[in-house]
Amino acid sequence: AQTVTQSQPEMSVQEAETVTLSCTYDTSENNYYLFWYKQPPSRQMILVIRQEAYKQQNATENRFSVNFQKAAKSFSLKISDSQLGDTAMYFCAFMRHSSGNTPLVFGKGTRLSVIA
Amino acid sequence: GAVVSQHPSRVICKSGTSVKIECRSLDFQATTMFWYRQFPKQSLMLMATSNEGSKATYEQGVEKDKFLINHASLTLSTLTVTSAHPEDSSFYICSATRTSPGDTQYFGPGTRLTVL
Repeated sequence: AQTVTQSQPEMSVQEAETVTLSCTYDTSENNYYLFWYKQPPSRQMILVIRQEAYKQQNATENRFSVNFQKAAKSFSLKISDSQLGDTAMYFCAFMRHSSGNTPLVFGKGTRLSVIA
Repeated sequence: GAVVSQHPSRVICKSGTSVKIECRSLDFQATTMFWYRQFPKQSLMLMATSNEGSKATYEQGVEKDKFLINHASLTLSTLTVTSAHPEDSSFYICSATRTSPGDTQYFGPGTRLTVL
């Protein structure tokens, strides 16, 4: 079974600064997908970024980027130029590749507070 | 992006009654829908996987007779909590995904269930 570990229950960052959220996972699969989802106080789950394991290039989406280290099974999220609206719970998630659709395995989450 | 709706957003019911929650994919056909449960300040816990036209697959420890799932069309899945009890009070979230393996899951806004 796959597991996802987020070792930072809470973090804070000053507005406009950069913060990195950690995520490690355990799997015996070679082909899989990794995600970061954001859950603001509204509790709507929002996709932040997605990475395919077969791609060596790290995914980026505007101010959000990942550092994907497949051998180390590490998938950290970097948020640059932090904004107040980035305050949320961030979940790292793993999904194995299959011919069908497979569920996400979530970490316990990191609560990020952006301070003005 | 893909949009998933959930209805109702909040429901309060008396102990012993049944409650139905709908999950709809508004602008795409969802071969698979997933149902998650989230307790306060915790991560999402997968309850069941629902494939259109077939019986849902429940996770270990989830009572299939209590949490009835129906996925009758490619755009609608329902979760019925039967004979609800206060311990069923929680936040229920659905997600939907297209046919392609590895496709991103899109989440509904969630339903807060309170059983008195």
